[in-house]
Amino acid sequence: QQQVKQSPQSLIVQKGGISIINCAYENTAFDYFPWYQQFPGKGPALLIAIRPDVSEKKEGRFTISFNKSAKQFSLHIMDSQPGDSATYFCAASYGDSSYKLIFGSGTRLLVRP
Amino acid sequence: DADVTQTPRNRITKTGKRIMLECSQTKGHDRMYWYRQDPGLGLQLIYYSFDVKDINKGEISDGYSVSRQAQAKFSLSLESAIPNQTALYFCATRQGPDTDTQYFGPGTRLTVL
Repeated sequence: QQQVKQSPQSLIVQKGGISIINCAYENTAFDYFPWYQQFPGKGPALLIAIRPDVSEKKEGRFTISFNKSAKQFSLHIMDSQPGDSATYFCAASYGDSSYKLIFGSGTRLLVRP
Repeated sequence: DADVTQTPRNRITKTGKRIMLECSQTKGHDRMYWYRQDPGLGLQLIYYSFDVKDINKGEISDGYSVSRQAQAKFSLSLESAIPNQTALYFCATRQGPDTDTQYFGPGTRLTVL
């Protein structure tokens, strides 16, 4: 049962453009929402994360927008660069000690020069 | 991340064979996780461990077993490999109980013929 739905599956953006990846979740018990970035041949690495008590978090060119009532959150990459080309995963975690992550299906981003 | 290593990096085996994937970490973290990555499905949790004596099943533990030999080592075994276990396998670590970030190893690509 997929509890975190991610779209689009793939995305092509021109250099300097804005990349937007969306995720929707079902379980209101989730209380931690990270985004992971994965380059080919590497493991995922934490990019940015948010908790439901704020609606937006920004780190450099990367911003998470969070809509608790709609149960949706999104990643915005401003001024996208070819080096941002990677697969991006959203995830959600329950508010218990296990911190088990439930991942979305991933978005393959290609930023053209 | 060199702090989390996985061996082997690639493995081809035959149906019915027993295989062990190993994960070692020098981060000193107490929590360790095993995930499986399939194209279009994201990462799914197989097992996780809080310490040597605390091992828990994840979403897809059937057909897998684990061993936490020491705080720094967490092994995943396939007792009798089958073709639909062909996937990328990732180990991750986290310093609990009050931190969120999971640190992933480089992955093991397993092919079961």
